[in-house]
Amino acid sequence: GAVVSQHPSRVICKSGTSVKIECRSLDFQATTMFWYRQFPKQSLMLMATSNEGSKATYEQGVEKDKFLINHASLTLSTLTVTSAHPEDSSFYICSATKTVNTEAFFGQGTRLTVV
Amino acid sequence: GNSVTQMEGPVTLSEEAFLTINCTYTATGYPSLFWYVQYPGEGLQLLLKATKADDKGSNKGFEATYRKETTSFHLEKGSVQVSDSAVYFCALSDRVGTALIFGKGTTLSVSS
Repeated sequence: GAVVSQHPSRVICKSGTSVKIECRSLDFQATTMFWYRQFPKQSLMLMATSNEGSKATYEQGVEKDKFLINHASLTLSTLTVTSAHPEDSSFYICSATKTVNTEAFFGQGTRLTVV
Repeated sequence: GNSVTQMEGPVTLSEEAFLTINCTYTATGYPSLFWYVQYPGEGLQLLLKATKADDKGSNKGFEATYRKETTSFHLEKGSVQVSDSAVYFCALSDRVGTALIFGKGTTLSVSS
């Protein structure tokens, strides 16, 4: 199957700083990438959908000014958590699809801890 | 809205035991249904899927049948191995390749 690489796998940052998480499709061009968030013992919840070259579509309740998503190329999407707070501590995971009606491939996730 | 309810774990089994992880869903229309597996330290991997009623997805000895009448997609395996220890997620989407709605995940631990 196709490979999606997410970096970093773990990050600890101080409150008030910003953190960037990268999601790369290594061997295919991803027209669409998805960002999910998982709280402990909870489901993965969709945060936003991004298509290359256009603005991301955010789910209800997700602050677009806080969670900045950039899908600048067909192989890279980034999620920047701005002015991080401890309540932003969570597991963030991305997925990418080649085209509609094809399987989505997931990165290994990023564990963010804000102290 | 659409949702997925998955049995809570952890599930602890001995090697070669029979596995069932229950999953039911609520959806309008005819969603596609999936099981994903996450091994320790790795990302989610698609285990199997079914895109229409009565379809059976299967992979690596795991099976699940899309039951529209009971809105269920239970995961089964006849004989689990230690290497099956992982977290299993049931999920649905409007169609393959679109955003997924996940259950909470079920942790399976298999001991020898």
